[in-house]
Amino acid sequence: GDSVTQMEGPVTLSEEAFLTINCTYTATGYPSLFWYVQYPGEGLQLLLKATKADDKGSNKGFEATYRKETTSFHLEKGSVQVSDSAVYFCALSFLFSGGYNKLIFGAGTRLAVHP
Amino acid sequence: DAGVIQSPRHEVTEMGQEVTLRCKPISGHDYLFWYRQTMMRGLELLIYFNNNVPIDDSGMPEDRFSAKMPNASFSTLKIQPSEPRDSAVYFCASSLKRPPLHFGNGTRLTVT
Repeated sequence: GDSVTQMEGPVTLSEEAFLTINCTYTATGYPSLFWYVQYPGEGLQLLLKATKADDKGSNKGFEATYRKETTSFHLEKGSVQVSDSAVYFCALSFLFSGGYNKLIFGAGTRLAVHP
Repeated sequence: DAGVIQSPRHEVTEMGQEVTLRCKPISGHDYLFWYRQTMMRGLELLIYFNNNVPIDDSGMPEDRFSAKMPNASFSTLKIQPSEPRDSAVYFCASSLKRPPLHFGNGTRLTVT
């Protein structure tokens, strides 16, 4: 079935380091792809999205490119800050019967950034 | 826009008691979702509604769990009787027909 696989955490980095969080997906068609972020004590927030192959989503210095050939949507940031410490979820959206684009989430990757 | 509002933020109860979690979706959103988050299982979709009607409840773990949406601005998730293994963070989310979902801040449930 459709699924999302993320790299296991925690990912621990020093401030200003480069970040990559890997995400690959399995889907029978062409899903939309998302990254959500969850800060401590809060719900998930949409970070960025891409709806078709080769699209690049970007927000707050984070980027991810929809790669159909490798079925991947890796999250990157050139210089992380302590405030980026959170759990990051990759997700795909697919049109299911009933007309709704249902979201399937990965397991989440915890990022800890130290000064 | 006030966002999705959940109450209470924290709930501590004893095994066997009834627990009711509440959610107010964003006005105008016609889809509402209940998720459960645990360390072991991650995020699990329990049930979702479209225009107040339950569409898919296949994620509801047992008959002890029930969810209602009596109107467009209110939904409840009830656990009766509660068990320690129900301890988790429960999220409500709402959306228009297509994602993204907008999540509330969750209810942390502890069953002792």
